[in-house]
Amino acid sequence: DAMVIQNPRYQVTQFGKPVTLSCSQTLNHNVMYWYQQKSSQAPKLLFHYYDKDFNNEADTPDNFQSRRPNTSFCFLDIRSPGLGDAAMYLCATRAGQGASYEQYFGPGTRLTVT
Amino acid sequence: QKEVEQNSGPLSVPEGAIASLNCTYSDRGSQSFFWYRQYSGKSPELIMSIYSNGDKEDGRFTAQLNKASQYVSLLIRDSQPSDSATYLCAARYSGSARQLTFGSGTQLTVLP
Repeated sequence: DAMVIQNPRYQVTQFGKPVTLSCSQTLNHNVMYWYQQKSSQAPKLLFHYYDKDFNNEADTPDNFQSRRPNTSFCFLDIRSPGLGDAAMYLCATRAGQGASYEQYFGPGTRLTVT
Repeated sequence: QKEVEQNSGPLSVPEGAIASLNCTYSDRGSQSFFWYRQYSGKSPELIMSIYSNGDKEDGRFTAQLNKASQYVSLLIRDSQPSDSATYLCAARYSGSARQLTFGSGTQLTVLP
């Protein structure tokens, strides 16, 4: 049974056209992460939430925003995608305080910008 | 800058051999270490975590941690072609309860 679900798995958008990627989890984990991964590179952390506490990485472009309306769902909004934003976007979750620090990834969304 | 370094490879081993993957980290205060396997075009999958110096075994996988040398390794015994993937090393740095820092991965190919 899928525990971290991402939709869509593949997304094609046009240059400058807003796009929203979604992530849901059935693990009831407190912490949710969004990563960007380009080919042959390490996953790069964009944001994370601890419950509703939002944490933005210093080098995350303003073009990227996130929402977490409840424990189960988290969204990544790219307001004006550029060609450089083409990447795999990974959602991950982790249980909260007192638990292990293991992060579990969803299957990812491959974003193509034309 | 806190870093996790891996040899990008590619590392090729014959089927049935032991594959040895290595990782170094820059923050001596790091507490927790993880190995993820990532098949081409897929997301990372957690295969091992290690928190204490020494070895931790799980099936064909053994993680080794040496905090004095700031060194983590992953051994894969009896390597199979299905083990061909990129292996990402990640570390949780001191003072960072929530975040992991990832290396860029080592590409492993197991030759039939």
